[in-house]
Amino acid sequence: EDKVVQSPLSLVVHEGDTVTLNCSYEVTNFRSLLWYKQEKKAPTFLFMLTSSGIEKKSGRLSSILDKKELFSILNITATQTGDSAIYLCAVGSITGNQFYFGTGTSLTVIP
Amino acid sequence: DAGITQSPRHKVTETGTPVTLRCHQTENHRYMYWYRQDPGHGLRLIHYSYGVKDTDKGEVSDGYSVSRSKTEDFLLTLESATSSQTSVYFCAISEVRLTWYEQYFGPGTRLTVT
Repeated sequence: EDKVVQSPLSLVVHEGDTVTLNCSYEVTNFRSLLWYKQEKKAPTFLFMLTSSGIEKKSGRLSSILDKKELFSILNITATQTGDSAIYLCAVGSITGNQFYFGTGTSLTVIP
Repeated sequence: DAGITQSPRHKVTETGTPVTLRCHQTENHRYMYWYRQDPGHGLRLIHYSYGVKDTDKGEVSDGYSVSRSKTEDFLLTLESATSSQTSVYFCAISEVRLTWYEQYFGPGTRLTVT
């Protein structure tokens, strides 16, 4: 059975802290891994990762994929209150072009 | 912005009534999806489409049907709504970047079945 597991389920940090969010997966015919940020609305796309060991960066956010160990991490440095959201990990499968989602990590950044 | 709209954005309906949700896209994407999102379950795939009249079931398809008669529209129908179908429904499209696929979401429809 295809599955995506995210940890931790929730996290509370202070502004300025660095956080690491984890995503592990078991998906047949892996194509890509995607990270999303969801506030009180639709998920918004952050990164797509397809190759092991190549870091993607966008400002204070970065992510990397390990296809051998079947996981990815999302790092957020110097967190701000605007980073408070649910972060979703999804894995795309070649089979039917389906995407499998984890249940998300809820991040709260307090001033 | 992937040009995705959903209608209605909010709906309250009674148990046993049929409900149709519409997803509309303006950029000719081949793949379209319907998900539901519930606390503790994340996003779960209901149905998806890989072209006009080409659809397939996802993880939680029981009680739902879909139709895609035009590239731009993907309809989700609850034949006889039940309280367990109270949820937020998201439509998504899949877009090719080089040879890989990214996925983008519409704004969502909040459905309450009383």
